[in-house]
Amino acid sequence: SAVISQKPSRDICQRGTSLTIQCQVDSQVTMMFWYRQQPGQSLTLIATANQGSEATYESGFVIDKFPISRPNLTFSTLTVSNMSPEDSSIYLCSAQSGRQQYFGPGTRLTVT
Amino acid sequence: DQQVKQNSPSLSVQEGRISILNCDYTNSMFDYFLWYKKYPAEGPTFLISISSIKDKNEDGRFTVFLNKSAKHLSLHIVPSQPGDSAVYFCAASGLGGATNKLIFGTGTLLAVQP
Repeated sequence: SAVISQKPSRDICQRGTSLTIQCQVDSQVTMMFWYRQQPGQSLTLIATANQGSEATYESGFVIDKFPISRPNLTFSTLTVSNMSPEDSSIYLCSAQSGRQQYFGPGTRLTVT
Repeated sequence: DQQVKQNSPSLSVQEGRISILNCDYTNSMFDYFLWYKKYPAEGPTFLISISSIKDKNEDGRFTVFLNKSAKHLSLHIVPSQPGDSAVYFCAASGLGGATNKLIFGTGTLLAVQP
């Protein structure tokens, strides 16, 4: 398994600003993922963060809104850009080990 | 289109009894299924998984059953404990490509009454 940490754990941000969320894994992993869980809903995949190449985004998510970095095999960041109240969610990163994914504790974002 | 469905948003069970959480899927391409438990303010914790080549996988108090013909899987927890109270998500993967993208169900809130 993998142990994953995220920073910050929560934040309250103003509309129109940006927030960068950091995700650190305790071992080297090939695949990392970013998910969003909106209030009362399930987890939705935003993008797959590939080391050494561009992230792969799911339908409905674009790089300009959610730029992702993956500088090495243990670290990734997700930026939520030009935020609006609709971006208020829990953002989770995960790392793949075998066919399982292990999740970080999440970042609870509130946009006012 | 919801490819993975958990039709029961909540379930209440007495401590010591069996909890059965259900999950249905629509895409026959899925070949690997997982169950996660999520407490409030925490990330999902991996519980148990099953490959489509099997119909049962057991790990301690947790057993997952897969019925491919019905496109249905279930998680059995025996005996249920108050600490099992959480939201349970099923997830499926296997749609091809280089990644094991997970498609999650909507979750079932399990409450185990002491």
